[in-house]
Amino acid sequence: NAGVMQNPRHLVRRRGQEARLRCSPMKGHSHVYWYRQLPEEGLKFMVYLQKENIIDESGMPKERFSAEFPKEGPSILRIQQVVRGDSAAYFCATLSGYTDTQYFGPGTRLTVL
Amino acid sequence: AQKVTQAQTEISVVEKEDVTLDCVYETRDTTYYLFWYKQPPSGELVFLIRRNSFDEQNEISGRYSWNFQKSTSSFNFTITASQVVDSAVYFCALSEDTSYDKVIFGPGTSLSVIP
Repeated sequence: NAGVMQNPRHLVRRRGQEARLRCSPMKGHSHVYWYRQLPEEGLKFMVYLQKENIIDESGMPKERFSAEFPKEGPSILRIQQVVRGDSAAYFCATLSGYTDTQYFGPGTRLTVL
Repeated sequence: AQKVTQAQTEISVVEKEDVTLDCVYETRDTTYYLFWYKQPPSGELVFLIRRNSFDEQNEISGRYSWNFQKSTSSFNFTITASQVVDSAVYFCALSEDTSYDKVIFGPGTSLSVIP
């Protein structure tokens, strides 16, 4: 059973471009959480999704950020018109719903030039 | 408001020593969850434990143990007989909900285990 996969592992974008971060959960996991680790602000929750539904997006900036978890395929965190302040490590974690254990992906390091 | 304090920014111990990482939290909720996460130098995050506020029993998992004391609002983490592979940043976190989403992370404690 493959672990949680995130790609790309490293992403470089110029200001104003779009960034798409992908998270493929472990088989059987239907809960996806996205977190962001900013250099000076630490770890913060962004959004929680289940298949085809956003359950909680209270931690996500209101503008430029969106997330989805379609019926088929990975969860995607999309950042439009990136700015330097978006440079961070973005982690996703998944949960089966039957256990208490979260499994994290390796993260995507986004650098905005 | 909820808050998690990890007063120890950095700790260094010699291999095989025991080490305790402190975590103090603030919340007005009567039901809440506490977590510990590990972030090794390679950068990934590893979930270690989730504990609900009604369960004050200490938890032991191998060389890891957790001490939850509601009276002092603390959820401390002890590593017994530390090893170099324990070197990492450890985050304590608090959630007001049953889920993992409304989680507030502490600033982390960087542990270095010296051979």
